[in-house]
Amino acid sequence: AQSVAQPEDQVNVAEGNPLTVKCTYSVSGNPYLFWYVQYPNRGLQFLLKYITGDNLVKGSYGFEAEFNKSQTSFHLKKPSALVSDSALYFCAVRGTKAAGNKLTFGGGTRVLVKP
Amino acid sequence: EAGVVQSPRYKIIEKKQPVAFWCNPISGHNTLYWYLQNLGQGPELLIRYENEEAVDDSQLPKDRFSAERLKGVDSTLKIQPAELGDSAVYLCASSVNRVGEQFFGPGTRLTVL
Repeated sequence: AQSVAQPEDQVNVAEGNPLTVKCTYSVSGNPYLFWYVQYPNRGLQFLLKYITGDNLVKGSYGFEAEFNKSQTSFHLKKPSALVSDSALYFCAVRGTKAAGNKLTFGGGTRVLVKP
Repeated sequence: EAGVVQSPRYKIIEKKQPVAFWCNPISGHNTLYWYLQNLGQGPELLIRYENEEAVDDSQLPKDRFSAERLKGVDSTLKIQPAELGDSAVYLCASSVNRVGEQFFGPGTRLTVL
């Protein structure tokens, strides 16, 4: 069965510093990986995805993620965090067609960017 | 273009009462999803529709939960009767097809007293 692990419940970072949110996954076949962000009382917003190609994926709002097949990781990064980046971040993996292309989410990581 | 619309945004009911949630997906999106999100956790799929057909409802507690998407557009998720443990956020999402990017609505926060 496919799964996603986000080992950190919360990440604290000072504004202007680099931000990293960790994610590891387990899935059969080629991984299709996603990052979503959730602000209070709002639905999930898509940030970026990895399907194939370059291991460094660039997404919305200055975020990027690095796919590492050998470590089965897909860490989210931002070179310079903003206070407005404070939110809940979810990593997700999409399963194979045989598994219904089901999207499985990690437990989420809360990011707090302090001024 | 309007995003995924859900109503109501908030609902408070007493246990054993029925409740229904409504979702209108993005126009042209054939695939519709209902997710359950408990506090501090990631969303978990309840049911997925391809047009009007429920193609994955393995995680839907069928003794009390039901869903429909009669015309292949908007959808309703119902709980009858509600239990205290059903308190959560119910998210609706849609995508062009089963492999397309999913767009989420704002969710309905249910509180069962």
